[in-house]
Amino acid sequence: DAMVIQNPRYQVTQFGKPVTLSCSQTLNHNVMYWYQQKSSQAPKLLFHYYDKDFNNEADTPDNFQSRRPNTSFCFLDIRSPGLGDAAMYLCATSRVGGYEQYFGPGTRLTVT
Amino acid sequence: QKEVEQNSGPLSVPEGAIASLNCTYSDRVSQSFFWYRQYSGKSPELIMSIYSNGDKEDGRFTAQLNKASQYVSLLIRDSQPSDSATYLCAVTTNTGGFKTIFGAGTRLFVKA
Repeated sequence: DAMVIQNPRYQVTQFGKPVTLSCSQTLNHNVMYWYQQKSSQAPKLLFHYYDKDFNNEADTPDNFQSRRPNTSFCFLDIRSPGLGDAAMYLCATSRVGGYEQYFGPGTRLTVT
Repeated sequence: QKEVEQNSGPLSVPEGAIASLNCTYSDRVSQSFFWYRQYSGKSPELIMSIYSNGDKEDGRFTAQLNKASQYVSLLIRDSQPSDSATYLCAVTTNTGGFKTIFGAGTRLFVKA
């Protein structure tokens, strides 16, 4: 089945220790997104790519970076995680044109 | 600030009843509307998409869109305990690029 895969599903890191989250997709969608979601809140868009065209949200902290080396893969790097970065990180994909987004299972990040 | 508003709930309905979930949005030029279901600790799952005024039915789910009043709703008929989840409304607007905004969701409890 075509899907969006995220690894790892759970990640524990220490305060200030860099961490990388990965996402891959077999849907062959041009658009990929990274969201941060905290408890009882809406998913907050961090970045999105149209193919390799990178789009950074204005309020995404500089601590967060992203890479998309090819159509199938996308990475989220958190350079110096703080306690406030503990959240669920969601990867999603869609076709170009404002169509529905398909989410991966998410990565739950804990910062100690 | 473009917004999507939902009543946070919880909305509690008995098993077999109709659950009615509502969402309002502020950007008049919004063009694509989605409902996602999110179980606790899981990622959002697409339930319905609707693009034009009126009703769209899929099984027990009906999405209703009224662009003049800027609201979209989701009706769940014959509610089941397994429908207990948070329902996220998402709205996409094309303003020189497609942008999707999520509401914070309505928690639904279906009592057996």
